Amino acid sequence: ETGVTQSPTHLIKTRGQQVTLRCSSQSGHNTVSWYQQALGQGPQFIFQYYREEENGRGNFPPRFSGLQFPNYSSELNVNALELDDSALYLCASSFQLSETQYFGPGTRLLVL
Amino acid sequence: QKEVEQNSGPLSVPEGAIASLNCTYSDRGSQSFFWYRQYSGKSPELIMFIYSNGDKEDGRFTAQLNKASQYVSLLIRDSQPSDSATYLCAVKRNTDKLIFGTGTRLQVFP
Repeated sequence: ETGVTQSPTHLIKTRGQQVTLRCSSQSGHNTVSWYQQALGQGPQFIFQYYREEENGRGNFPPRFSGLQFPNYSSELNVNALELDDSALYLCASSFQLSETQYFGPGTRLLVL
Repeated sequence: QKEVEQNSGPLSVPEGAIASLNCTYSDRGSQSFFWYRQYSGKSPELIMFIYSNGDKEDGRFTAQLNKASQYVSLLIRDSQPSDSATYLCAVKRNTDKLIFGTGTRLQVFP
């Protein structure tokens, strides 16, 4: 167990809907990164938050957005869901930007 | 060319053998190198990280890094059926994101 928690564990949505995924970082960690992992692929970087500021973004459209709260927990929001958004969404926290990232259990999203 | 390349496998080894997993990367600015293990349906679990050229050992696991050849490997000694999983190689610049390969599926048979 890494101490990183995510909710919900599973989610089913329909195309066009909006979804919010949540992540609580490990105690003492101020950096949260979000990844999308499609079936059979490695995780792909969505964005990273450091002390409540976005610190980098991967090749994902603006309908993927997020934020980080003062307690360093984080949310990932996806608008206008598409079928290809079906994936495992992973949150990883680290003590600082350059430190090792530890993953939460993930949220499996299915878009119908 | 993919930024991080791994053979997708499956790599099949008998119980007790040494499993050798390989990874190459394209960005010479990469500074940190990680191996994660991922069981089916679960999230990645950190096994080891390495920053410097050479070998780093932790129990049955040894990570090897050769920056000149842009090559990272993971050796698993005395492989067990419980080691059967997908092994993800990831690289990172200093404060940047993790870039993952697609993973190598390892099967250890009794």
